[in-house]
Amino acid sequence: GAGVSQTPSNKVTEKGKYVELRCDPISGHTALYWYRQSLGQGPEFLIYFQGTGAADDSGLPNDRFFAVRPEGSVSTLKIQRTERGDSAVYLCASSLTGTGGMGQFFGPGTRLTVL
Amino acid sequence: EDQVTQSPEALRLQEGESSSLNCSYTVSGLRGLFWYRQDPGKGPEFLFTLYSAGEEKEKERLKATLTKKESFLHITAPKPEDSATYLCAVRVYNTDKLIFGTGTRLQVFP
Repeated sequence: GAGVSQTPSNKVTEKGKYVELRCDPISGHTALYWYRQSLGQGPEFLIYFQGTGAADDSGLPNDRFFAVRPEGSVSTLKIQRTERGDSAVYLCASSLTGTGGMGQFFGPGTRLTVL
Repeated sequence: EDQVTQSPEALRLQEGESSSLNCSYTVSGLRGLFWYRQDPGKGPEFLFTLYSAGEEKEKERLKATLTKKESFLHITAPKPEDSATYLCAVRVYNTDKLIFGTGTRLQVFP
């Protein structure tokens, strides 16, 4: 596609449930990033993939969060036993090989609300 | 600890009233400073990358500059369509992630 796409655009769930958020990067981009943005804040790094492997997962807040990219393209962010504090916009970004002169290209985000 | 601070948090301008947004940073080793624009309900949109002190980039009414401690985004004769949140981010050595500031919310009134 022309840009990074994310599905769903909105997700409402109940505390304790499991959710999956999907990211389709720009075709041919090997680097993929997940960020979380709370209201009034800048995006906060979660995890970065280079190809199929997680090159840096230092931003994942705890072991309830997990992300995969099995074929080096689409990525899924998985959150177990959701908590109200997980409510935020989850942004995905991609870049050709890494963060270079054109930065990272962001998708529109998935707004997650945990009731 | 690597840190990015943006000021002001919010800025209201009359159409045509030029101003500047500030991004100060404290990092272990700068590998790029990035400016993004974010409209409500959308993801950040790339504007500029700056790498070294003294560097400047321009695009329409926007000009970004960089020193060893801060970056400025100058907005000349803004229009209402420039209203958005402007985010500053840094990339530091040995990582590929971006560290963002909290942004400046700009409103331009006709």
